[in-house]
Amino acid sequence: SQKIEQNSEALNIQEGKTATLTCNYTNYSPAYLQWYRQDPGRGPVFLLLIRENEKEKRKERLKVTFDTTLKQSLFHITASQPADSATYLCALGSYGNNRLAFGKGNQVVVIP
Amino acid sequence: NAGVTQTPKFQVLKTGQSMTLQCAQDMNHEYMSWYRQDPGMGLRLIHYSVGAGITDQGEVPNGYNVSRSTTEDFPLRLLSAAPSQTSVYFCASSVGGRPNSGANVLTFGAGSRLTVL
Repeated sequence: SQKIEQNSEALNIQEGKTATLTCNYTNYSPAYLQWYRQDPGRGPVFLLLIRENEKEKRKERLKVTFDTTLKQSLFHITASQPADSATYLCALGSYGNNRLAFGKGNQVVVIP
Repeated sequence: NAGVTQTPKFQVLKTGQSMTLQCAQDMNHEYMSWYRQDPGMGLRLIHYSVGAGITDQGEVPNGYNVSRSTTEDFPLRLLSAAPSQTSVYFCASSVGGRPNSGANVLTFGAGSRLTVL
């Protein structure tokens, strides 16, 4: 069965540094991959989408890469700020059924 | 534009009781879905709908019923609550949820925290 792995340990990072999160998957060939942000007690919020034929996507201080050979996506937050502290979820989808499969999320804590 | 609205925000039930979690969206989205989120488990799809009158099962449908009589509303019913259904429930909607209609980018509600004693 398909498996999506995100690091269960929180990432503690100093303000101003780059935070990098990993999303690995197995037994799946997604057509696209998304990243969402979730704050405590709130619903996830969509951040970025990258398709299988795209290597990299950027949005302001966020960058996502997608390597279908390694079956991995990297999510970068550059010049991190305390307001970036949250849990980040990756989600994989295929156009055929469009049912998103989510990873468990990875918490980021930015230390001032 | 309220987005996706879920009610109630919190609910405590006794085993065997029934209840309905309400979800409404005002974005004219065709696709609506229900997820549950448990510690260490991530988001799991319960049921989804690609339009009024059409529903289908997700990954963990047992114990839950849904219907979609209008585009705007997608209620989730628990007919006989069990402690295993203690969870946080999220409703989500999107424009591109039909198969082969483009990427499915979800807008989530704020969640409903359910405790079953």
